[in-house]
Amino acid sequence: GAVVSQHPSRVICKSGTSVKIECRSLDFQATTMFWYRQFPKQSLMLMATSNEGSKATYEQGVEKDKFLINHASLTLSTLTVTSAHPEDSSFYICSATGSSYNSPLHFGNGTRLTVT
Amino acid sequence: DAKTTQPPSMDCAEGRAANLPCNHSTISGNEYVYWYRQIHSQGPQYIIHGLKNNETNEMASLIITEDRKSSTLILPHATLRDTAVYYCIVQLQGAQKLVFGQGTRLTINP
Repeated sequence: GAVVSQHPSRVICKSGTSVKIECRSLDFQATTMFWYRQFPKQSLMLMATSNEGSKATYEQGVEKDKFLINHASLTLSTLTVTSAHPEDSSFYICSATGSSYNSPLHFGNGTRLTVT
Repeated sequence: DAKTTQPPSMDCAEGRAANLPCNHSTISGNEYVYWYRQIHSQGPQYIIHGLKNNETNEMASLIITEDRKSSTLILPHATLRDTAVYYCIVQLQGAQKLVFGQGTRLTINP
């Protein structure tokens, strides 16, 4: 089945630094990838939609200058958390779908970000 | 906004069938019912989806009422590894962007 790989699985960084998270579709071409954030004991919240070769579309309330998304190829999207603060500590999850209309979304295993 | 209502938690004994209900009374004619689950500290896993006919795959069965206002996900022989949060999502097929509600936290007890 379709596999989405996310890296790193865990990262700890200091306040003020930037962190890059990668999301790769391993056996299919992902024209669209989605980035979610999940705080403890809460559901997933969509942050942005990433389309290959174009600018990402951000959900209301998500700062595009803080959460930089790049989708430079059909198999890779990156999320960079810039100038991270402790309140950015969360579980970040990407998902991807292929070009088939019937394809369900496939999710990565998430990245646990801790900002100290 | 999530268009579904699920009980916040359920328990089931190992080896028994787990039946997870979902209400989606405002579903439109071309919207599908999707089920995903999320095991602790992992990304969501696709389970099954359907439009109006009942569906079955190797993981589960999906029963959709005739009026399509509710559905039930059935795990026929629950195991401890089925402990997870189960999300019922109503979405246009191909719309891709999934909006998650709070889901049902299913606990399988030995």
